[in-house]
Amino acid sequence: GENVEQHPSTLSVQEGDSAVIKCTYSDSASNYFPWYKQELGKGPQLIIDIRSNVGEKKDQRIAVTLNKTAKHFSLHITETQPEDSAVYFCAASKGNQFYFGTGTSLTVIP
Amino acid sequence: EAGVAQSPRYKIIEKRQSVAFWCNPISGHATLYWYQQILGQGPKLLIQFQNNGVVDDSQLPKDRFSAERLKGVDSTLKIQPAKLEDSAVYLCASSPRVGGMATEAFFGQGTRLTVV
Repeated sequence: GENVEQHPSTLSVQEGDSAVIKCTYSDSASNYFPWYKQELGKGPQLIIDIRSNVGEKKDQRIAVTLNKTAKHFSLHITETQPEDSAVYFCAASKGNQFYFGTGTSLTVIP
Repeated sequence: EAGVAQSPRYKIIEKRQSVAFWCNPISGHATLYWYQQILGQGPKLLIQFQNNGVVDDSQLPKDRFSAERLKGVDSTLKIQPAKLEDSAVYLCASSPRVGGMATEAFFGQGTRLTVV
């Protein structure tokens, strides 16, 4: 099966700084990589995703990069705001099966 | 569009009791997932349905957990008997695709189970 590792487990940044979260996966057949944000007491919500035929994708302050050769992908949040504070999960998917990382708790300090 | 609905939101039971969770996926979504999320960890897949058939239940503790998806729509997850280590949030998710290229999985708010 697929194994997804995520780092760091916790991350604190000053408001306005950038935050980077990294994930690696083991199965080269995985072809879809979503990132989810989970706020306290809520279910995960998709914030951005990338497919294996694309190296980078950006949506306003959020970007994701994918290196298929090295089997790693990263989430970049620029100009962080207090409302970005949450737990972020990466996932790797093939077909319709998802495998999640262990999560990163991001705290943005005002 | 209505989201994935789950109930109850919270449940506290004693060990060895039984409990059931209910999920109503987004209308038209063929794939339904049940995940277990232990505090501080990522969601772990318990079972995946495609319409009303099981695609993957390799990580479902079948001696105590069971799940069904009647008529390919609603689903229930049952634990009997519960153990202390079953304390977790149980997340239901649904996805519109059947095989082919993966698309976003939409999650419900989850049911927080506490076993005492």
